[in-house]
Amino acid sequence: QSVLTQPPSVSAAPGQKVTISCSGSNSNIGINYVSWYQQLPGTAPKLLIYDDNKRPSGIPDRFSGSKSGTSATLVISGLQTGDEADYYCGAWDSSLSAGKVFGGGTKLTVL
Amino acid sequence: QVQLQESGPGLLEPSGTLSLTCVVSGVSISSTNWWNWVRQPPGKGLEWIGEIYHSGKTNYNPSLKSRVTISVDKSKKQFSLELSSVTAADTAVYYCARDPATWDGVAYQHSNWFDPWGQGTLVTVSS
Repeated sequence: QSVLTQPPSVSAAPGQKVTISCSGSNSNIGINYVSWYQQLPGTAPKLLIYDDNKRPSGIPDRFSGSKSGTSATLVISGLQTGDEADYYCGAWDSSLSAGKVFGGGTKLTVL
Repeated sequence: QVQLQESGPGLLEPSGTLSLTCVVSGVSISSTNWWNWVRQPPGKGLEWIGEIYHSGKTNYNPSLKSRVTISVDKSKKQFSLELSSVTAADTAVYYCARDPATWDGVAYQHSNWFDPWGQGTLVTVSS
């Protein structure tokens, strides 16, 4: 059971927009930055978004992140078949069991 | 660019000790980065194991802390993971990853994001 909660799956058609949510608490998302990762089948995770809404060099602006309170959202617009992957959110948890935590992951299917 | 490469035995027996190494290239291991281990059981999500700074300071996942040791060897440009008393539940792909440190005016703190990641190495615990 993950500290951060994500929907197990989402789906949308090519060209459409999809949102993936990540719900946490006041000890993690509420006070610390959120990051997002894309994991294509059989590969290592890749950083998509850091510090809630910043994109590393080379990540297209079709990917965007936002945060409100204790929840964060990843938005992927102009969906492509190559976006089909697992997506994970991450943050630092400042509770008594402090450490880096992840969401359980969301499988994106591009129909 | 920064590259990380894991290595270690792919199979070990229950109750044994898992030992993995991550070689760092493209940046000094003594630079302002936290060096991390993350694992992923087959078909499941990501779990942070722990991290080390080049000074030797470590932070561990509280759920694994009693069994984990992370160390750094600056001369070999690598950091290592040891996980003791393994069971089938420790079967996973193990990744090493960098968390760039940021200066907060007092000390270097985590950025709390991982980039890049190594390609990962599958470790299976089975008799």
